[in-house]
Amino acid sequence: NAGVTQTPKFQVLKTGQSMTLQCAQDMNHEYMSWYRQDPGMGLRLIHYSVGAGITDQGEVPNGYNVSRSTTEDFPLRLLSAAPSQTSVYFCASSPRGGLREKLFFGSGTQLSVL
Amino acid sequence: AQSVAQPEDQVKVAEGNPLTVKCTYSVSGNPYLFWYVQYPNRGLQFLLKYITGDNLVKGSYGFEAEFNKSQTSFHLKKPSALVSDSALYFCAVRDMVDSSYKLIFGSGTRLLVRP
Repeated sequence: NAGVTQTPKFQVLKTGQSMTLQCAQDMNHEYMSWYRQDPGMGLRLIHYSVGAGITDQGEVPNGYNVSRSTTEDFPLRLLSAAPSQTSVYFCASSPRGGLREKLFFGSGTQLSVL
Repeated sequence: AQSVAQPEDQVKVAEGNPLTVKCTYSVSGNPYLFWYVQYPNRGLQFLLKYITGDNLVKGSYGFEAEFNKSQTSFHLKKPSALVSDSALYFCAVRDMVDSSYKLIFGSGTRLLVRP
């Protein structure tokens, strides 16, 4: 199994551009989520999904959209990039049941918005 | 609201010495607590969790954590540190507001183990 795969690893955008961060998992996990990591602030939840067709907002959802058309994929869309969205983005997944809190993380996408 | 606090930005220890990374929590009800580790340029990895039962929880790579209800703490410990333990450590608590299984992370503590 590849686990959780994120692409791209690095991205530079100009203010106002849009883009999609890709996330795929091959573990048949029900739960998927997106976090951003900023220095001194830990990880903050952006959006999450408890299954295909179901998404919900996390702590910092503004400026981001998600969809979950399949169990495997959970893309994160930046609608109009802003410098405040410069961050490292992590996708994570977990199985159902008692192991749901055991998140499996991708290796991250480092995004810079100029 | 559930929250965790990691009071130390950085912890330095010598290899072979015991290490402690501190975490305190604030929850309503029984806490579900976790530790994750992040090595450079990698995603976070699960270390251990406390749901209920023994106050001393054993996890991966020789780490353990001690749950203390009276002090609302969940400190991460290891009897003998290795240079390879140098990483960023995050404490987390499960958000019990709904059944979404969201985790709330602390700000992280960087552990540096000197040879």
